Amino acid sequence: DIQMTQSPSTLSASVGDRVTITCRASQSISTWLAWYQQKPGKAPKLLIYKASSLESGVPSRFSGSGSGTEFTLTISSLQPDDFATYYCQHYNSYPLTFGGGTKVEIK
Amino acid sequence: EVQLVESGGDLVQPGGSPRLSCAASGFTFSNYWMSWVRQAPGKGLEWVANINQDGSAKYYVDSVKGRFTISRDNFKNSQYLQMSSLRAEDTAVYYCARVDGGDSGFYDLWGRGTLVTVSS
Repeated sequence: DIQMTQSPSTLSASVGDRVTITCRASQSISTWLAWYQQKPGKAPKLLIYKASSLESGVPSRFSGSGSGTEFTLTISSLQPDDFATYYCQHYNSYPLTFGGGTKVEIK
Repeated sequence: EVQLVESGGDLVQPGGSPRLSCAASGFTFSNYWMSWVRQAPGKGLEWVANINQDGSAKYYVDSVKGRFTISRDNFKNSQYLQMSSLRAEDTAVYYCARVDGGDSGFYDLWGRGTLVTVSS
């Protein structure tokens, strides 16, 4: 099984900050990676797919990069609506797995 | 409106066998692989099962193999998760999700989730 490891698990930041979250796969997954945002009590929301493709309607301050085993999600200028938990997910093969999540908190 | 609506979650005794349902609307349901993803209270996301467009291909996470069965009815625009031999560790919000990007893809549409609590 492919394990997905996210870091950090918690991140404290201020509005306007540039934020970077890392996701590492235990083996190469090419660019078969998605990122989601989840707010408390809500379903996850797709942000990025195929490592760097922005889902329609998602603000351009979100971007993804990477391939193989190392990936990043970057928020270029953190907005109040961005305080949430972020998950990566690989879809290279079954079983599909998610990272443990990164909670972005207000500093 | 494009949406997925889950139902069937409840308080269930260990060993119970509830069936979850997911009603799809606003898109051509039969064109998509579908999935169930769960989230235990305060924990992360866990993929549970996928099913292809005509129900002929199904995949499961090891922890539910032999206990859960995913199915769908394209005439009713619905998918289902028949759960059995439930354990406390199956307690979670169960999300119905639409798969994009092929069979083992990513999820571009999610329902609000339905809570299954396994407790005596």
